[in-house]
Amino acid sequence: GNSVTQMEGPVTLSEEAFLTINCTYTATGYPSLFWYVQYPGEGLQLLLKATKADDKGSNKGFEATYRKETTSFHLEKGSVQVSDSAVYFCALTHTGNQFYFGTGTSLTVIP
Amino acid sequence: DSGVTQTPKHLITATGQRVTLRCSPRSGDLSVYWYQQSLDQGLQFLIQYYNGEERAKGNILERFSAQQFPDLHSELNLSSLELGDSALYFCASSPYEGATYEQYFGPGTRLTVT
Repeated sequence: GNSVTQMEGPVTLSEEAFLTINCTYTATGYPSLFWYVQYPGEGLQLLLKATKADDKGSNKGFEATYRKETTSFHLEKGSVQVSDSAVYFCALTHTGNQFYFGTGTSLTVIP
Repeated sequence: DSGVTQTPKHLITATGQRVTLRCSPRSGDLSVYWYQQSLDQGLQFLIQYYNGEERAKGNILERFSAQQFPDLHSELNLSSLELGDSALYFCASSPYEGATYEQYFGPGTRLTVT
């Protein structure tokens, strides 16, 4: 079946550090892949997405590349800020409009 | 502010009871999605409606049901509540039917079953 596995948190980084949050998926065919972010006390917001292999999604300095060969969609940012502190969810959708989310990775950025 | 509203914000009820959660999508959005977020199960997709019709079903229990009304608002009904149903319930809306389009999430309804 379809599933998403993302790295366990919590992750704590100093401001301006490099961020990687790993995400791998299991799905038949070619799912669409997403990163959503949840700030404290709020609902989820779409951060970026990629709908086909080798696509790179990017937004607000975050990037992720859809790697079919490694079934991965790792989230990266070159220099994190305190305002990036949030929970990050990797997700996929496939035929039938069902969504599958990872367990979420909590990121705290300290000044 | 995503433009999606959910009521109530908080709900405390007893086991065995029934509750209704309400979601108003962004103006013009035809799709509504429901999700459950709990500590032990994470974020789970429950169900999607598009323009009044059910389009996709996820891990929704038989005790739960949903509908989308002609004015496009949606309700999630939870019955015979159990302690394990305590969770944050989100709805999200989208202009289109396909799940690859961005979904706009509401602030959630926190349900506590005692």
